Amino acid sequence: AQKITQTQPGMFVQEKEAVTLDCTYDTSDPSYGLFWYKQPSSGEMIFLIYQGSYDQQNATEGRYSLNFQKARKSANLVISASQLGDSAMYFCAMRGNTGGFKTIFGAGTRLFVKA
Amino acid sequence: GAVVSQHPSRVICKSGTSVKIECRSLDFQATTMFWYRQFPKQSLMLMATSNEGSKATYEQGVEKDKFLINHASLTLSTLTVTSAHPEDSSFYICSATSGTGAGNTIYFGEGSWLTVV
Repeated sequence: AQKITQTQPGMFVQEKEAVTLDCTYDTSDPSYGLFWYKQPSSGEMIFLIYQGSYDQQNATEGRYSLNFQKARKSANLVISASQLGDSAMYFCAMRGNTGGFKTIFGAGTRLFVKA
Repeated sequence: GAVVSQHPSRVICKSGTSVKIECRSLDFQATTMFWYRQFPKQSLMLMATSNEGSKATYEQGVEKDKFLINHASLTLSTLTVTSAHPEDSSFYICSATSGTGAGNTIYFGEGSWLTVV
């Protein structure tokens, strides 16, 4: 069975500092994709970054980078130079071959950026 | 990035009535659409997977007769909550993808807040 675990219900970070949001996963699929989404209070889900299971390099998108450690089955999101607008809920997600490529989500981490 | 539009963003309906939520992919053909339900301060719960031209695949515990899903075209999927009750009040959000591979990004609609009174 596939599973995504986010163990940090809430995180605080000072503005302009970096923060790491943890995500571990479990799957038996040889090929899978890992995603991070941001959900502000408005409810929309904003795609941030993607990492493929066979990608050799860690994914980066602007201030977002994904620390992918395949052997440890972890896909932590690093946000550099935090901004007040980064305050939101963050979800780690995985999509594999199991069950028709459906995407499963972790419980989420609420990030609070302090001025 | 790709755009997925969901409508209505907020809807209030009376108990016992039905309400339809639309999910449209605006700039790509969505072979697969997913419908999620999200309770306050919780994660997204997958309700069903919708493939164009075929019946939706529902997750365990989701009543297919209550939550009717239709994926009539490559750009439109609808979720109809039939005989709605207050416990159906929730945030419903759809997502769409143009491919079935693990690497195909899923794009989300804006979500719909349903309140049943």
